[in-house]
Parts: sequence; C-alpha cells; structure tokens
Amino acid sequence: DTAVSQTPKYLVTQMGNDKSIKCEQNLGHDTMYWYKQDSKKFLKIMFSYNNKELIINETVPNRFSPKSPDKAHLNLHINSLELGDSAVYFCASSHRQHEKLFFGSGTQLSVL
Amino acid sequence: SQQGEEDPQALSIQEGENATMNCSYKTSINNLQWYRQNSGRGLVHLILIRSNEREKHSGRLRVTLDTSKKSSSLLITASRAADTASYFCACSGGYQKVTFGIGTKLQVIP
Repeated sequence: DTAVSQTPKYLVTQMGNDKSIKCEQNLGHDTMYWYKQDSKKFLKIMFSYNNKELIINETVPNRFSPKSPDKAHLNLHINSLELGDSAVYFCASSHRQHEKLFFGSGTQLSVL
Repeated sequence: SQQGEEDPQALSIQEGENATMNCSYKTSINNLQWYRQNSGRGLVHLILIRSNEREKHSGRLRVTLDTSKKSSSLLITASRAADTASYFCACSGGYQKVTFGIGTKLQVIP
C-alpha cells in the first residue's frame, strides 16, 4: 500500500485553466504539506496543515488554495494557471510536525 | 534563512568508495534531516539529527552535526550503484518549517 499517494502523476494544461491535485496518506499522520520543486530541483514549502488546520502558508499566490477535508487528505487547487506554475508538486505527511516527512511521488504540472 | 546549502552540487565516484556531502545553514536549528531523491520520485527520509546530537549512524550512513560551524555532513560508506540519487539536507528551526537545500547529485559508477 502506498503511504502517501497523490494524483494525477502528470498534469498538462493550458494557461488560464483551473486544476486540482489530490493527496491522501494512510499513515495516520496529523501533519500534511505541499512542496513545489522547480526545474533546478529546489524544494520550497507552500503549505502545512496540522489536523486540518492551516499552520504554514508561505508567500504563495492566492490562486493556490489548499483544502483539507480530513486529516488524511490535503488537496491543492490552482486557479488561472500560469506558465511559471510549471513544476513538480509534492505532497508529504509526518507524525510529528516538521520531522521525518513521507513524500508522495509527485505531480508534474506542465502549463502550456 | 535556515535553508541548508549542500556541497558539492555534484559528485561522481566509483562503486565501493565513500561519498561525503556537506550541508551548511545560517540560523539556529532544532534538527537537521537528510533525504534521498531518485530521479522522478519523491524524497525518502534517511536520517534526522537533533541540535544536541553530534553524530548518528544508520547502516552505511553516518551523519555529523557541528552547530558551532552550522554545518552537517553525510557520509555514505562502501557506495553502491543503487546509491545514485540526489541528496538533500533539510533544516527545521525557529519557525519549525522544514526548508530544503538544493541537493547534491551523486553518481556511483559500477
């Protein structure tokens, strides 16, 4: 069983569209995260939720909206996609906040 | 910023050799973690060392932490071709969030 699963794995879309990436973890963790990895492999945190409550919101455009319906799920919705949004987006979870993160396999987003 | 910076950015060694990667950071931390990322995959946690610890071992991995120099090193002994991956250090500090460096790309040649 995959511990942290995110879908889709690949997402190709046109500029201006709205898209969502889903993430689910079956580890029983309380904390979940979204990270963005750019083409230079730099990983930057976007959001962190603890028990469905937003605890970290980095300087991310408000076109990005995370939603946590329960502590096992953290979805990412992106409005009005731009070329610069192209990247790999990783979901992660951890038992203790900010320690030993378990990552999903990533969603490669390509905005054309 | 507490973001770690790895050095070197790329490293190529022969199978069986040891690989050493270094990480430097700027502000105080609670812990420092090392992760591995194989091409096209998510990151995998390798080891966590707390600010009051100086050295930790896990199998062929050895991590050291020098808080006075704000630096850490990851040593992989007796490297294998399967160790080929990117290795990231990640710092967790005052604001608690985990911030990653840009990684060291390790290639182990069979």
